[in-house]
Amino acid sequence: EVQLVESGGGLIQPGGSLRLSCAVSGFNVSTKYMSWVRQAPGKGLEWVSVFFSGGSRYYADSVKGRFIISRDNSKNTLFLHMNSLRADDTAVYYCAKEGLLNYFESWGQGTLVTVSS
Amino acid sequence: SYVLTQSPSVSVAPGQTARITCGGDDIGGKSVHWYRQKPGQAPVLVVYDDSDRPSGIPERFSGSNSGKTATLTINRVEVGDEADYYCQVWDRNSDHARVFGGGTKLTVL
Repeated sequence: EVQLVESGGGLIQPGGSLRLSCAVSGFNVSTKYMSWVRQAPGKGLEWVSVFFSGGSRYYADSVKGRFIISRDNSKNTLFLHMNSLRADDTAVYYCAKEGLLNYFESWGQGTLVTVSS
Repeated sequence: SYVLTQSPSVSVAPGQTARITCGGDDIGGKSVHWYRQKPGQAPVLVVYDDSDRPSGIPERFSGSNSGKTATLTINRVEVGDEADYYCQVWDRNSDHARVFGGGTKLTVL
């Protein structure tokens, strides 16, 4: 059974850094495209970043240069390193496993990041 | 960057048919995916590649895509279908961005 469990969210001051984790079971994180998607309170879904199985990584313009996606194959875990956090980064962050046509076929339950002083 | 446009809300009575649209430039040339999200829950994939259903999704859910509009159709709507619905595509021209529509709130009257 595929499971994705996010952790690491919390309250952080503007300008701070935070690392989110997504522990994966049921498949190898290194063999699939894995994404982070976020949702600000009361707002829609916004794609954040993708890690290709081959190692390439891509980011939404809104986080480019501030966020870094990574993975630890030995721990079967995906990460999102978030730096220079701003109030508009406040959101629930989901990790998601992608299907062959770049759709999100499995999602975690999400972790809330609140950026506020 | 590529933009997907959804109507903010759709209302339908139980047993009727709901149609939720997603507009985009030449969207008919892209593969469109649809998600259902209930309050406090993670999204769930209900249609992928325009019209395919993941296992466990009822046949009442179907999709189509042509020209400038993709459509998610829900037949025989149930109270439990009330949720936010999002369309999504892959934009190969923008650093492999995955793009979501703004979402449509389906209200079952």
